[in-house]
Amino acid sequence: DAKTTQPPSMDCAEGRAANLPCNHSTISGNEYVYWYRQIHSQGPQYIIHGLKNNETNEMASLIITEDRKSSTLILPHATLRDTAVYYCIVRAGNTGTASKLTFGTGTRLQVTL
Amino acid sequence: EAQVTQNPRYLITVTGKKLTVTCSQNMNHEYMSWYRQDPGLGLRQIYYSMNVEVTDKGDVPEGYKVSRKEKRNFPLILESPSPNQTSLYFCASSYAGGPDNEQFFGPGTRLTVL
Repeated sequence: DAKTTQPPSMDCAEGRAANLPCNHSTISGNEYVYWYRQIHSQGPQYIIHGLKNNETNEMASLIITEDRKSSTLILPHATLRDTAVYYCIVRAGNTGTASKLTFGTGTRLQVTL
Repeated sequence: EAQVTQNPRYLITVTGKKLTVTCSQNMNHEYMSWYRQDPGLGLRQIYYSMNVEVTDKGDVPEGYKVSRKEKRNFPLILESPSPNQTSLYFCASSYAGGPDNEQFFGPGTRLTVL
């Protein structure tokens, strides 16, 4: 799986948009970009994923650059409950062992008042 | 409510005493997997199952066993636990094993082996 690079930490004021960047310059054509978050030691929570196009759901938006070498997760109106470690994961485009999720060190997002 | 459940949530045991951590999902998912999380090492896959009676090793299978006799259950078995298996364990499931299927995680089981 392609490696991802994320900043170790970010701050965001409550109510503002949180924009979390991720670099995945070695991504190949059939690999998906996934975002998960983990609050304290709870189970990782799925946020969003995409292949080429930008995606939006009730939690967030995912913006993937045209060359697919980087992406940004956007939380439109961050709240204190969004404080967590956010993981950007590139996932191979086949089944079996490739179905595993390889979590890196992620970005620790701190949302403040 | 759609969910993945794990039991127990916390367990302290001693070296060599066999234990089982249960995992159950109510979403009729085909794919299930076990991960362990250790500081500085992220989440690593232990075993996975593509469907009933189909299991395979992940990245760190040594010292663990699994079984998949029913679609909803995927227990993790430690036949002879050792202190290096002290970790936070997560079970996950998804509709199928392909890359376009998000995995849903259970709440975790914190295991301490003395």
